Amino acid sequence: DVKVTQSSRYLVKRTGEKVFLECVQDMDHENMFWYRQDPGLGLRLIYFSYDVKMKEKGDIPEGYSVSREKKERFSLILESASTNQTSMYLCASSWAGTSGDTDTQYFGPGTRLTVL
Amino acid sequence: AQSVTQPDIHITVSEGASLELRCNYSYGATPYLFWYVQSPGQGLQLLLKYFSGDTLVQGIKGFEAEFKRSQSSFNLRKPSVHWSDAAEYFCAVGHGGATNKLIFGTGTLLAVQP
Repeated sequence: DVKVTQSSRYLVKRTGEKVFLECVQDMDHENMFWYRQDPGLGLRLIYFSYDVKMKEKGDIPEGYSVSREKKERFSLILESASTNQTSMYLCASSWAGTSGDTDTQYFGPGTRLTVL
Repeated sequence: AQSVTQPDIHITVSEGASLELRCNYSYGATPYLFWYVQSPGQGLQLLLKYFSGDTLVQGIKGFEAEFKRSQSSFNLRKPSVHWSDAAEYFCAVGHGGATNKLIFGTGTLLAVQP
């Protein structure tokens, strides 16, 4: 079974702090994704990475950065946390390629971040 | 641009009743379609997916979905709902590009009455 783990289930930080959210997958997937989930808005893509050290902005990248130094690990960084970044953060991974199954994304359990 | 619409924000059904969750998509070519389920406080779990072939797709937990190209729909069904099915359900569309991005709907929250 594919396993995607996230470093924390719950996190409480203060405004202005630098926050790191870690995600690790064990399936040798090329692609990794960070989403933000808010009620009524569904999942919105923040950043994704299609290879080590490669990244692309998603739909809402402002206020976030990412790092992918190793294939299995994808980090989301909030440089200076703000209250409007209080949310559920979900990491996902998938294979690369163009066959149908490569679109299937596998999700971690999520990190609920509260910024005070 | 691709988009996914889940017109029902909340649905309540009685245990044992049948269920249909609606999903409509906008995409020029044949899409790849997914249904995911999210239990409270958890990540998303894949229920089923459609890439090609038979338009009726079977998934886990007794769910099925039917791809109807003429209606741009991919509705999720279950003949008899169990209390443990209470969760949020997300429909998603992809296009098989190399970066494999998915577009998600806003979700339907299912409540199950005893």
